[in-house]
Amino acid sequence: EIVLTQSPGTLSLSPGERATLSCRASRGVSSTYLAWYQQKPGQAPRLLIYGASSRATGIPDRFSGSGSGTDFTLTISRLEPEDFAVYYCQQYGSSPQTFGQGTKVEIK
Amino acid sequence: QVQLQESGPGLVKPSQTLSLTCTVSGGSISSVGYYWNWIRQHPGKGLECIGYIDYSGSAYYNPSLKSRVTISVDTSKNQFSLKLTSVTAADTAVYYCARDYGMLYGFDYWGQGILVSVSS
Repeated sequence: EIVLTQSPGTLSLSPGERATLSCRASRGVSSTYLAWYQQKPGQAPRLLIYGASSRATGIPDRFSGSGSGTDFTLTISRLEPEDFAVYYCQQYGSSPQTFGQGTKVEIK
Repeated sequence: QVQLQESGPGLVKPSQTLSLTCTVSGGSISSVGYYWNWIRQHPGKGLECIGYIDYSGSAYYNPSLKSRVTISVDTSKNQFSLKLTSVTAADTAVYYCARDYGMLYGFDYWGQGILVSVSS
C-alpha cells in the first residue's frame, strides 16, 4: 500500500499567518487522486481539496493544493481562527486508499 | 442535501461481531457511480479505510481486515452495513461512513461517526 507521510506533525502559527503543510507518498500518486481533509475535535473530516488542487464545494479560496508525483502541499494563505484543526492527506488512486497521519495546526 | 448517519451498538464484547449501519438520506444509494465507504479512527489517531461497496453491490476490503470484514447494501432501506468479526480491543475506534463519486473526488459526505468500544 502507499504510505503517506505528513510534515510537520504540528504547526504553531498565529491567525493571519500562512500555513504550508506537506504530504509525501512512498511511491507516485496520480494528482487526480490526492485529497486533503480538515478535522476538528469531535467532528468528521471535511473534504477541502480533491484532485490535488481542486477546492471542494464551499471551501474558501484561502485553501489551495498543489503538487504531483510523490510531493503534495496544502497551503492556507491567511489563517482564520476556525482553521486551527488537524489536516489529513489521502490518496484514493491505489487500493487500499490511505491517509497520512495528520498535521495539527495550532494557535501559537 | 445528502446526509449519512451511522447506527449500531457502542459496546461490543471481545470475540463478538461488530455490526454497524449507515443510513443515507437525500440521495439514492443505488445511483450509478457512487461508492459507499467505511473508515475508522482509533482514539487520538489517524484514519484507516476499511472498505467500500459500489453502486452495483461489489465490495472491496482493506487487505489488513479482509478476513474479518463484510460490507453489504440494502437498497430498499437506502442503507449499507459493516460487519467486523472476532473483534478485539484493537478494534475500538470511531467508525465513519462516507460517500465518494467514481473514486475521483474524495469523500465528500461523511456521517458524524460512532464510537465503538470493545470491552468485556
